[in-house]
Amino acid sequence: QSVLTQPPSVSGAPGQRVSISCTGSSSNIGAGYDVQWYQQLPGTAPKLLIYGNNNRPSGVPDRFSGSKSGTSASLAITGLQAEDEADYYCQSYDSSLSGSYVFGTGTKVTVL
Amino acid sequence: EVQLVQSGAEVKKPGESLKISCKGSGYIFNTNWIGWVRQMPGKGLEWMGIVYPHDSNTRYSPSFQGQVTISADKSISTAYLQWSGLKASDTAMYYCVRLNIVATNYYFDNWGQGTLVTVSS
Repeated sequence: QSVLTQPPSVSGAPGQRVSISCTGSSSNIGAGYDVQWYQQLPGTAPKLLIYGNNNRPSGVPDRFSGSKSGTSASLAITGLQAEDEADYYCQSYDSSLSGSYVFGTGTKVTVL
Repeated sequence: EVQLVQSGAEVKKPGESLKISCKGSGYIFNTNWIGWVRQMPGKGLEWMGIVYPHDSNTRYSPSFQGQVTISADKSISTAYLQWSGLKASDTAMYYCVRLNIVATNYYFDNWGQGTLVTVSS
């Protein structure tokens, strides 16, 4: 079971801004471990979207940005595009579970 | 370019054994932990465990400890995930991932294409 909680779904019209939250605890995000975000397009493997809370790998548009505060993190998508319709997962490290790499519950982004 | 290429889809019966593979290229295989992630049909991502190819040190998620075995053969840059007695509940897509560690940051920077395992009588 996931220890990082995300909203099941968010939606927005093209061009709008949407945000996805990722809520953890004092043994993962709150302990200072960084947060990553992965994008999973339909029928494909997940892809690293944001690492180290707010860093984008080469090739990821700057429409995607991340932030972290306390025991939570957020992913923002500005200028939403049809191709952004996908599942998004946050991920961090948890020191309480024998050292586990934990994922969020996942959020489906729908472009209206 | 870093690549992780996984073995093909499998269809097995309950109780059978299975070993799937993940071959790395484009980097020095020994120097990064390789992990496995499960995605059951219509569900989210679950970390299963990791192996360090250099010395075959392994770590498992408590949820998967004793249920699977993760290993690596550094001579052929390949990691493995195996089961000794499959169950219908093992039906899922399995991804191998490369772990990158920078200070307090642990993240999966490269993913394999996935191996679909179907267990059905």
